[in-house]
Amino acid sequence: QKEVEQNSGPLSVPEGAIASLNCTYSDRVSQSFFWYRQYSGKSPELIMSIYSNGDKEDGRFTAQLNKASQYVSLLIRDSQPSDSATYLCAVKRNSGGYQKVTFGTGTKLQVIP
Amino acid sequence: GAVVSQHPSWVICKSGTSVKIECRSLDFQATTMFWYRQFPKQSLMLMATSNEGSKATYEQGVEKDKFLINHASLTLSTLTVTSAHPEDSSFYICSAGKNTEAFFGQGTRLTVV
Repeated sequence: QKEVEQNSGPLSVPEGAIASLNCTYSDRVSQSFFWYRQYSGKSPELIMSIYSNGDKEDGRFTAQLNKASQYVSLLIRDSQPSDSATYLCAVKRNSGGYQKVTFGTGTKLQVIP
Repeated sequence: GAVVSQHPSWVICKSGTSVKIECRSLDFQATTMFWYRQFPKQSLMLMATSNEGSKATYEQGVEKDKFLINHASLTLSTLTVTSAHPEDSSFYICSAGKNTEAFFGQGTRLTVV
């Protein structure tokens, strides 16, 4: 089982719709959870971080965390063509005395104008 | 956010030569920096964790004698790819932690010919 799993997509949504991106993780002691956006050929850009169960909203983005189900999601409201990118889920935990961040393989999102 | 600068953005080198990549945290001090490699259409793979003032911690399967990491100060870590071969061609990305979040440099596209 992979430490962090995401559906590779592509996920296609029409402009203005809600895009829902999902991620599951295997290690129950994981502490911090992040969503990054990566455009082709570019470095990842941090969008959201979430540390406790529930929802966290920032503009058009909402991150949801359910530690009991080991599940974290990202909702993008009013999707725009500029949101088209690969979204990486990342999970941070202690490993051997230091913090380790593990990334999922990413979900490619396509917003259709 | 926080600014992490990586240099160079791209480099082409001949097989057998060495290449140094720099990663700087511009507006904060980072006791820990991370080095990743990303092959086309694949996720980020952690290569090593760079700790200021001590030896880097390498992930399984990463040759520490080939990928030399030096973290000389709280704002600078370097990755040197020694005796580069075409299979080392990849996108190398560093990240630095600030508080609980990690921020990425722009990445370095290495092509070994």
